[in-house]
Amino acid sequence: DVKVTQSSRYLVKRTGEKVFLECVQDMDHENMFWYRQDPGLGLRLIYFSYDVKMKEKGDIPEGYSVSREKKERFSLILESASTNQTSMYLCASRGGVTNQPQHFGDGTRLSIL
Amino acid sequence: SQELEQSPQSLIVQEGKNLTINCTSSKTLYGLYWYKQKYGEGLIFLMMLQKGGEEKSHEKITAKLDEKKQQSSLHITASQPSHAGIYLCGADIQGNQFYFGTGTSLTVIP
Repeated sequence: DVKVTQSSRYLVKRTGEKVFLECVQDMDHENMFWYRQDPGLGLRLIYFSYDVKMKEKGDIPEGYSVSREKKERFSLILESASTNQTSMYLCASRGGVTNQPQHFGDGTRLSIL
Repeated sequence: SQELEQSPQSLIVQEGKNLTINCTSSKTLYGLYWYKQKYGEGLIFLMMLQKGGEEKSHEKITAKLDEKKQQSSLHITASQPSHAGIYLCGADIQGNQFYFGTGTSLTVIP
C-alpha cells in the first residue's frame, strides 16, 4: 500500500512566520501535489512536481513556494504566513504511469493567528 | 472544478437506505477515481474506473462509468453510519489534466 506521510496533523503559527509543511511518500512516485481544502471551495491545487527539482504552479500558487530535493519528499513553504492561509493542506503522490490514482496523506490543519 | 460536476452537494439518509452520487463531465473521462474523506482527514482512494460500461464493487459500494465515459455514479446499498463522510470524484480528462469534483457530504442517521 502507498503511504503518504505529512509531518503534522495540526499546526498553529503566527502571522509573518515562515512555515514548512513536509510530505514524504514511500512508493517512488514521480508526481507529487499540494492542495488546500476550504469549505465550499473544494480542493485547490497549489503546486505540483513531476520530478526531482521540477515544479509547476497550480491554480493558487501565490504566497507559497515548494521544494523537491529528493524524489520521496515534497515540501510546501509559506514564505510569510497570513491569516487567509488558515486551511486544511493535503499532499498527494501519483505514479508516472497513465491513469493512476493520487494517494493522499492525512492532511495538516494549519491555523495562522 | 467546473470540469467535473458532482451531485448532490449533500445527502442525509436514514440508516439502511440506498443512495447514489453522480459525477458528470462534458468531456471524455480517461480515468475516473472515487475517494472518501472523513471529516478533518485525508482522502482515501476507493475505486478506479477506466473503460466505458465498467462497474466495480467494494463491500456495499458500487461505482459505474457510463458507456460514453462522461458520467460515473457511486451507489451505496443499505447505508450505515460508517459510510458517512465526503465523497469526491477525480478524473483524468482529455488534455492530460486532472480534476476533482466539489464533493458530496453524506450523513447517515442511525
